Amino acid sequence: QKEVEQDPGPLSVPEGAIVSLNCTYSNSAFQYFMWYRQYSRKGPELLMYTYSSGNKEDGRFTAQVDKSSKYISLFIRDSQPSDSATYLCAMSEDNQGGKLIFGQGTELSVKP
Amino acid sequence: DADVTQTPRNRITKTGKRIMLECSQTKGHDRMYWYRQDPGLGLRLIYYSFDVKDINKGEISDGYSVSRQAQAKFSLSLESAIPNQTALYFCATGRARANEQFFGPGTRLTVL
Repeated sequence: QKEVEQDPGPLSVPEGAIVSLNCTYSNSAFQYFMWYRQYSRKGPELLMYTYSSGNKEDGRFTAQVDKSSKYISLFIRDSQPSDSATYLCAMSEDNQGGKLIFGQGTELSVKP
Repeated sequence: DADVTQTPRNRITKTGKRIMLECSQTKGHDRMYWYRQDPGLGLRLIYYSFDVKDINKGEISDGYSVSRQAQAKFSLSLESAIPNQTALYFCATGRARANEQFFGPGTRLTVL
């Protein structure tokens, strides 16, 4: 069993829809949770960063962490065609710049 | 702009050949990482380096070696390439005591 599981999709939604992307994990020592966005033919870039449980909002994006269930989510409101990308969750036990464990990535397509 | 660059961007090679992928950064970060990305498997860490004299194996280091020639340069070598090393390879950089990693544009490697 992989430490981090993510539904690979692909996920296709109409413009304006609310998108929910999810990851589950097995390592209870993970404390730092990230979402990276990767456009086609590009490297991933950090989108959201959270510590421990709770919610964090940034514009149309909300990251949610439930450590008791070992489950994290990324919500995208009013999705736009420019949100079409692969979204990867990533986790770490500490913030010392060491190893990140990535999910498989979910490919999202937002249709106009 | 401070950046992470990778050369070559695309490479086709034959089984048994030695190949080197190069990464350079102008971000001034101490930490550098090599990942491979495969469909359905996400990003997996090959090697990482916290400074010029500190190199560590990642999750899937077998068949690979690295060299940290300077703070700004980190090379990945495949001593004898095999077809299952066909993948997208990413270099990334990061700061100490921080989890955000900054990725290069990737190298698409095909081993025939």
